[in-house]
Amino acid sequence: TQLLEQSPQFLSIQEGENLTVYCNSSSVFSSLQWYRQEPGEGPVLLVTVVTGGEVKKLKRLTFQFGDARKDSSLHITAAQPGDTGLYLCAGNSGGSNYKLTFGKGTLLTVNP
Amino acid sequence: NAGVTQTPKFQVLKTGQSMTLQCAQDMNHEYMSWYRQDPGMGLRLIHYSVGAGITDQGEVPNGYNVSRSTTEDFPLRLLSAAPSQTSVYFCASSRRGRSYNEQFFGPGTRLTVL
Repeated sequence: TQLLEQSPQFLSIQEGENLTVYCNSSSVFSSLQWYRQEPGEGPVLLVTVVTGGEVKKLKRLTFQFGDARKDSSLHITAAQPGDTGLYLCAGNSGGSNYKLTFGKGTLLTVNP
Repeated sequence: NAGVTQTPKFQVLKTGQSMTLQCAQDMNHEYMSWYRQDPGMGLRLIHYSVGAGITDQGEVPNGYNVSRSTTEDFPLRLLSAAPSQTSVYFCASSRRGRSYNEQFFGPGTRLTVL
């Protein structure tokens, strides 16, 4: 069974601070996705990383896929209250395997 | 496009009652899934479908039935509700042929079983 461990589980910071959250596994994934979920809503896809070592930027958010494709990180620069939410990573083992493996998420609160 | 829609938004059931959670998508996606989300447990796959007439079990299928008669609709049936099925349920769809399987989620149904 493939598992994705996310850390930290909870993070509360002040507006303007930088932060990094992690998504780790002992398994190799062909791709990894990051979602953000706001209270009372469904998760929304932020980015998909595919190549080992890949770095993608989405405004103040930087996503990195580990060289061995077993881990990923999300770095937020100058966090804002609008970044508050649950950040989920999900891995796909590729091929004909439809199923995604989700981590349990990091709940981020950015205080004004 | 409405994307993925789910009804109802909230539901309270008594133990033993049955109900159907509705899910529809207008993106012509072949793949559809049902997840449940519980505190500390993350998203867990209940059932999924790779096309009309084809369904399969996910990680936690017991107590739930699904069918897929059209591309657009993927209802989830609770045959005899139990308190352990209290959860938030999300339906998702994705496009066939993309190995990434990027999911588009609905807004969720919050179910309480008393």
